[in-house]
Amino acid sequence: SQKIEQNSEALNIQEGKTATLTCNYTNYSPAYLQWYRQDPGRGPVFLLLIRENEKEKRKERLKVTFDTTLKQSLFHITASQPADSATYLCALALYSSASKIIFGSGTRLSIRP
Amino acid sequence: ETGVTQTPRHLVMGMTNKKSLKCEQHLGHNAMYWYKQSAKKPLELMFVYSLEERVENNSVPSRFSPECPNSSHLFLHLHTLQPEDSALYLCASSQDLGDNEQFFGPGTRLTVL
Repeated sequence: SQKIEQNSEALNIQEGKTATLTCNYTNYSPAYLQWYRQDPGRGPVFLLLIRENEKEKRKERLKVTFDTTLKQSLFHITASQPADSATYLCALALYSSASKIIFGSGTRLSIRP
Repeated sequence: ETGVTQTPRHLVMGMTNKKSLKCEQHLGHNAMYWYKQSAKKPLELMFVYSLEERVENNSVPSRFSPECPNSSHLFLHLHTLQPEDSALYLCASSQDLGDNEQFFGPGTRLTVL
């Protein structure tokens, strides 16, 4: 069966450390993968997109990697801050339909001062 | 108004009521989406519209009826809902279908009694 799995438990990180979130998938052939941030009571906000032929993407303190052999994406936040506390969602876009986006259930990240 | 707006923000309805959710995007985008977000579940894509035509309908029950009168507006008409339909309903838009970031509205928190 097709699955997307993110860190199932909440992640607690000390301020200043690097937070690493994982997104694993099975039985998909994604064209690209996206990461979103969602704060309580709000809609998700787009952060980064990485295509299946790209290994790494960076944006300020954010870095995303995409390993299609391992079927895994890693999302890193360096020099983490309490303001980075939120739920982070990964989403796969499938080859079969560009309009078909599958979201993971998200990982809640807490950065303690 | 900028971005993607949704009204109402909160809605409580009985199972026999008929109500509508409204979404408006001020970004000049061509694609719009409806998602359902239930507690502890991944975002579920419900409907996709591109240039006012429905291109995706993910086996959503007929008690949910979308309408896209123009590229800036999207409605979700609700009738004879069930308590398990209680969730956060999110609207999103993107420039086109495919590998574009989606811009989400704040959502409508729906409670069905």
